[in-house]
Amino acid sequence: EAEVAQSPRYKITEKSQAVAFWCDPISGHATLYWYRQILGQGPELLVQFQDESVVDDSQLPKDRFSAERLKGVDSTLKIQPAELGDSAMYLCASSLDQGPNNEQFFGPGTRLTVL
Amino acid sequence: AQSVTQLDSQVPVFEEAPVELRCNYSSSVSVYLFWYVQYPNQGLQLLLKYLSGSTLVESINGFEAEFNKSQTSFHLRKPSVHISDTAEYFCAVTLSGNTPLVFGKGTRLSVIA
Repeated sequence: EAEVAQSPRYKITEKSQAVAFWCDPISGHATLYWYRQILGQGPELLVQFQDESVVDDSQLPKDRFSAERLKGVDSTLKIQPAELGDSAMYLCASSLDQGPNNEQFFGPGTRLTVL
Repeated sequence: AQSVTQLDSQVPVFEEAPVELRCNYSSSVSVYLFWYVQYPNQGLQLLLKYLSGSTLVESINGFEAEFNKSQTSFHLRKPSVHISDTAEYFCAVTLSGNTPLVFGKGTRLSVIA
């Protein structure tokens, strides 16, 4: 069964360091999402890609966060420098296309702890 | 902008008892509604969704939810829960078109043997 892959599963870093997360969506899925889930909260969208183009990054803290999907397949989310408040689960999801008719499939997430 | 309120952060229930997880949304336009389940250390899985048509939607593992437009609710129910239903449940809403999913804060369902 096709799945969304994410790595690493866990990351511990010190504040002011740089971190990067990787996501490989289900093959053929054009739409890719990065969410942040703070403990005790629901996921919040950080950025949405359609193929290699950014569709929505209105909630991405662009002073420290960046995301790319250069070839329209896998994607990387980077934080530089990391802050204590960035500790959270970072979830990647993919769907065949945009819109509510297309189910989003979630990866297992990367749990980030900033010390 | 749309928003989702899940009224209960934790719901403990005995095995084989019924359960209802409440979800209310606010939006001035038509919405699409979803319930997702998250097991420990895993990503979210779609449980069921309402896009249009019948207001009662069902999942393959016995959950159901009813869209109530007048009460702006989409409560999740199961007549008899199992230990394996222990998880976090998230209600989510999106508008028609390409607007992002907005999630509630989640309800932790704990099934007690």
